[in-house]
Amino acid sequence: AQTVTQSQPEMSVQEAETVTLSCTYDTSESDYYLFWYKQPPSRQMILVIRQEAYKQQNATENRFSVNFQKAAKSFSLKISDSQLGDAAMYFCAYRSNQAGTALIFGKGTTLSVSS
Amino acid sequence: GAVVSQHPSRVICKSGTSVKIECRSLDFQATTMFWYRQFPKQSLMLMATSNEGSKATYEQGVEKDKFLINHASLTLSTLTVTSAHPEDSSFYICSAQIRDGYTFGSGTRLTVV
Repeated sequence: AQTVTQSQPEMSVQEAETVTLSCTYDTSESDYYLFWYKQPPSRQMILVIRQEAYKQQNATENRFSVNFQKAAKSFSLKISDSQLGDAAMYFCAYRSNQAGTALIFGKGTTLSVSS
Repeated sequence: GAVVSQHPSRVICKSGTSVKIECRSLDFQATTMFWYRQFPKQSLMLMATSNEGSKATYEQGVEKDKFLINHASLTLSTLTVTSAHPEDSSFYICSAQIRDGYTFGSGTRLTVV
């Protein structure tokens, strides 16, 4: 069974600084998808970034980028130029390549941003 | 696009009663819906996967007789918490797979008193 591990329950960063959230996963599959989701206090799940395992190039979305190391099964999220609105719980998630499968979430990292 | 509307957003019910939570896909057809439960400051735990027109698949440890899932159409999936007890109090979220990932409902905070 696949597992997702986030070893940082809480992280903090100052506005305009950069922070990296860690995520490792375990799988025997070669083709899969990885995601980072943000859950603000409203608790609405918001997709931050998505990575296909077959793509070597790291995904980027504006201030958000990932460092995907397939061999090490690592998928960290870097947030640049942090903003107060980035404060939220961040979940790393895994999805098998099989159709109709659910996301498997890590335990989450609560990010606080100070001015 | 690809919005899932979840209702109610909050509900308080008495012990022993049943509560129904609805998730509707507004602009797409959701053949598969996933139901999650989330305790405060914890992760989303998958409860069950519902497929339109067939029985739901429950995760190990989830009581199928307590958490009834119905997916009778391509745009509606419901979760009914039967004979609710205070320990069922939680945040419930539905999710549907879309082309580039998943879309989530806004969640339902259930409080059983």
